[in-house]
Amino acid sequence: DGGITQSPKYLFRKEGQNVTLSCEQNLNHDAMYWYRQDPGQGLRLIYYSQIVNDFQKGDIAEGYSVSREKKESFPLTVTSAQKNPTAFYLCASTVTGGVEQFFGPGTRLTVL
Amino acid sequence: KQEVTQIPAALSVPEGENLVLNCSFTDSAIYNLQWFRQDPGKGLTSLLLIQSSQREQTSGRLNASLDKSSGRSTLYIAASQPGDSATYLCAGRGVGAFNKFYFGSGTKLNVKP
Repeated sequence: DGGITQSPKYLFRKEGQNVTLSCEQNLNHDAMYWYRQDPGQGLRLIYYSQIVNDFQKGDIAEGYSVSREKKESFPLTVTSAQKNPTAFYLCASTVTGGVEQFFGPGTRLTVL
Repeated sequence: KQEVTQIPAALSVPEGENLVLNCSFTDSAIYNLQWFRQDPGKGLTSLLLIQSSQREQTSGRLNASLDKSSGRSTLYIAASQPGDSATYLCAGRGVGAFNKFYFGSGTKLNVKP
């Protein structure tokens, strides 16, 4: 079955640590996205990538980094510079120029 | 900057009622619109997609419409069931913006048996 997988489902981070969230898709989509969701708020765009080896900052990129070395994979690193990282993180994809987004199941990150 | 408002923020109804959820964009230049369902702690599941050339879409008990002139969309749920309880989010893609989607904060629906 085609889809998007995210791991881990739950992640705990200590102060000062970097952590990496995984996102993999087998939909053959070119574009991939990372969003952050806080309680009672809409999704906010962190980074997006149109093609391999290319990515752009979204609205709240500070304290985050990404890479796109393979079409199928778009990992997100939450660095120690992100002061309030506790949130639900969602990965999504579309075909290039497409209008329908598909989402993964999400990763809940908690800072201890 | 595009802002998306969803009204109401929360809704609690008895089973069987017909419901209307609203979504509006400050910039009415919306290329297409997608409605999602989100269960607690889960990702988003696509319900309906209204393409640029369409005004509405239907799937089972769900009907969504988009008025591009006003930047407003409505999701209609007929004969609501307890299994419909979830948060419903709308998202629109801006005209000319590469695949950039703008999300509302959602309507939390509770359908009581």
